[in-house]
Amino acid sequence: QVQLQESGPGLVKPSGTLSLTCAVSGGSISSDNWWSWVRQPPGKGLEWIGEIYHSGTTNYNPSLKSRVTISIDKSKNQVSLRLSSVTAADTAVYYCVRETVAVRSYYYMDVWGKGATVTVSS
Amino acid sequence: SYELTQPPSVSVSPGQTASITCSGDKLGNKYICWYQQKPGQSPVLVIYQDNKRPSGIPERFSGSNSGNTATLTISGTQAMDEADYYCQAWDDTTGVFGGGTKLTVL
Repeated sequence: QVQLQESGPGLVKPSGTLSLTCAVSGGSISSDNWWSWVRQPPGKGLEWIGEIYHSGTTNYNPSLKSRVTISIDKSKNQVSLRLSSVTAADTAVYYCVRETVAVRSYYYMDVWGKGATVTVSS
Repeated sequence: SYELTQPPSVSVSPGQTASITCSGDKLGNKYICWYQQKPGQSPVLVIYQDNKRPSGIPERFSGSNSGNTATLTISGTQAMDEADYYCQAWDDTTGVFGGGTKLTVL
């Protein structure tokens, strides 16, 4: 059973860069899956940040695209998220998510990590 | 940008049927997923590809999608179904979530 574990600093200063890592266990990051990041500000809904395929192909939320970088390290079986120029509005729980193919090119998010809480504050 | 709209809250009595809607332009032309999230927990997939249930999800959860509206239906709602529910679709290569619906079982 695939498990995802997010890790990284819980506190980031305003204007700094948020960096998180997602360790994938129980499966290969090079399988036919996309790997997404989704965040949830306190008391609010879910927001999709972006995704990466093991080939390195990425897709980003247009609202965050200028600040986001998602990368993959196949040797370590992990995915990383970097979000630059953060403000208090980036305070959220950040989830690593596996996407699995259903039909044709349709993928759905079937495995979620426990989430990492990141607070942006000086 | 593409938007999905959900009612903020839905209430249902135990044993009754709960319906949660998700609306978007020509939503029936896209596949929809539904996620259940309980307080302090990660979201759990309950429906994918409009109407398919992952293994382990009770049969009382079902879904439909047509026109501009997708619906998550919970038949014989139980107290354990009280949670936030989110719909999700893809707008080309961008993931989009609805704002979420709080289901109260009272």
